[in-house]
Amino acid sequence: EAQVTQNPRYLITVTGKKLTVTCSQNMNHEYMSWYRQDPGLGLRQIYYSMNVEVTDKGDVPEGYKVSRKEKRNFPLILESPSPNQTSLYFCASSPRQLQYNEQFFGPGTRLTVL
Amino acid sequence: AQRVTQPEKLLSVFKGAPVELKCNYSYSGSPELFWYVQYSRQRLQLLLRHISRESIKGFTADLNKGETSFHLKKPFAQEEDSAMYYCALSALSGGYQKVTFGTGTKLQVIP
Repeated sequence: EAQVTQNPRYLITVTGKKLTVTCSQNMNHEYMSWYRQDPGLGLRQIYYSMNVEVTDKGDVPEGYKVSRKEKRNFPLILESPSPNQTSLYFCASSPRQLQYNEQFFGPGTRLTVL
Repeated sequence: AQRVTQPEKLLSVFKGAPVELKCNYSYSGSPELFWYVQYSRQRLQLLLRHISRESIKGFTADLNKGETSFHLKKPFAQEEDSAMYYCALSALSGGYQKVTFGTGTKLQVIP
């Protein structure tokens, strides 16, 4: 089944404890992206990747890192999480021509930073 | 810079009533516009895209370049339409294809 998977789905952690949220897609998509969803703010893009080893900042990159060493994986790294990063995170992927293609979203990861 | 505005956070309509979810955008070139829907406890999924000009689940959206709008419409709302709706714009920005989402509108269909 073609899909985007994220792990973990739920995570509660404490301030300053490094964490990684994994994202994987099995559709051979070139474009991948991370979003955070907050009430009243909708979806805001954190980072995106046009292809392997090509990543760029979205609208709210502060406090996050990403890597794209393989086409299928696009992990989101929080080196020192803070409470303001408590949010619902979505990974998404899309075929090469993003402009005309939909994004396929993962199920979301609900992160709470205490 | 590209921007998407959805002015209504919540839209409540009665079952059978017409629905119009507003979306306005700002972009100087020719954007591609999408509507995504998120049902309760489910992931976001594409509802429709402007380039395909199709009707999905009775919803349609027309791109009005003069008014820079891409409103989502349905003539008769159903209870199963209750969900969060996001308008999204995809366009070139700094040499890369960038996607910007609106803040979303929650549609509540009252039985």
